Amino acid sequence: SQTIHQWPATLVQPVGSPLSLECTVEGTSNPNLYWYRQAAGRGLQLLFYSVGIGQISSEVPQNLSASRPQDRQFILSSKKLLLSDSGFYLCAWIGSAAIEQYFGPGTRLTVT
Amino acid sequence: DQQVKQNSPSLSVQEGRISILNCDYTNSMFDYFLWYKKYPAEGPTFLISISSIKDKNEDGRFTVFLNKSAKHLSLHIVPSQPGDSAVYFCAATRFNSGGSNYKLTFGKGTLLTVNP
Repeated sequence: SQTIHQWPATLVQPVGSPLSLECTVEGTSNPNLYWYRQAAGRGLQLLFYSVGIGQISSEVPQNLSASRPQDRQFILSSKKLLLSDSGFYLCAWIGSAAIEQYFGPGTRLTVT
Repeated sequence: DQQVKQNSPSLSVQEGRISILNCDYTNSMFDYFLWYKKYPAEGPTFLISISSIKDKNEDGRFTVFLNKSAKHLSLHIVPSQPGDSAVYFCAATRFNSGGSNYKLTFGKGTLLTVNP
């Protein structure tokens, strides 16, 4: 069966510090991968998605970037965090010829 | 421009009664709709979906109804249980847009509280 991992589970970082969040998927190959953010009191905002290694599409211009160095690995990064980057970050995957996205457990990021 | 709207931020129902969660969309190109359930500090879990070629889909206690002319869908939970208390997100996508890069557009969610 497929499993999606995210780490760390929680993170407190000062403004201006770098960020690296990692997502890995097991039990599937060539998945579409997605990064979402849920800010306090908001819905799920799609940040990036990837249909293959090295292929990244950005949905919202912002302080963040994404990379996909391996088929089942998706990384969310920032060089300098802003207060507004605080939120709950979710990674999701979808298999071929499917529509339903399956989410990881999420990372709670607090920028202080 | 919010293409998927859940106008009720919260809903409270009694255990055993029906819960009805509503969702409206504005993009007429959407042809596939999904409901997700989310507990605090966890990722959303897929609940049920419906294609625009149908007007109803049922899975156990959960039924989703789609009214394309009104661009409205609803999730019915019968009977409601305390464990159903969570945030419910409505999502929509264009399944027949071609390609494999399906993107979901989510509403802001409705917090359902089922009281014992």
